[in-house]
Amino acid sequence: EIVLTQSPATLSLSPGERATLSCRASQSVSSYVGWYQQKPGQAPRLLIFDASYRATGIPARFSGSGSGTDFTLTISSLEPEDSAVYYCQHRSNWPPTFGQGTKVEIK
Amino acid sequence: QVQLQESGPGLVKPSETLSLTCTVSGDSVNTNTFYWSWIRQPPGKGLEWIGYISHSGSTTYNPSLKSRVTISVDTSKRQFSLKLSSVTAADTAVYYCASYSSSSGYYFDYWGQGALVTVSS
Repeated sequence: EIVLTQSPATLSLSPGERATLSCRASQSVSSYVGWYQQKPGQAPRLLIFDASYRATGIPARFSGSGSGTDFTLTISSLEPEDSAVYYCQHRSNWPPTFGQGTKVEIK
Repeated sequence: QVQLQESGPGLVKPSETLSLTCTVSGDSVNTNTFYWSWIRQPPGKGLEWIGYISHSGSTTYNPSLKSRVTISVDTSKRQFSLKLSSVTAADTAVYYCASYSSSSGYYFDYWGQGALVTVSS
């Protein structure tokens, strides 16, 4: 199975700052990567699909990029409500797998 | 819009079978545009995809769990179900039902709120 490695494990930033989250695949997954946001006690929410397309209702401050093995989720200007764990997921083949997550803390 | 709701016992004894049901509302279980999945998350850990079933009943399971998993669908009740046999403490997790479709690029766009299942005697 394809292993997704996310970095950093934790990101601590102030409101208004830019957050850059990384996801690296153990082999090429083309552009078949999605990003999810999970807040405590809640189910994950789909933010980005196919590397760079925002899901319905997702604010424009969230953007994704990458292809092959390296992917990035960028939050252009952090809001307090962006405090959460973010997961990447591939759908290149079976089984789909998730990264271990990056926790974004707002100072 | 699709709403999903998990239900089932919150406590299962070791070696027994975990059974959960997901009830779908807002859209038809048997629409051929949706696929229905189970995903779990051990406390404080990441997400693991368990398997999926299509409206027609075809299934695909995670190889790591395949020997113990059965997913079924009952379109008349608008439900799909998970059975995981021979459970151990390692199966303690929040179990989510989720759906995906072409409209979300085949990513998990609708989720239930999750059901915590603890394996303990």
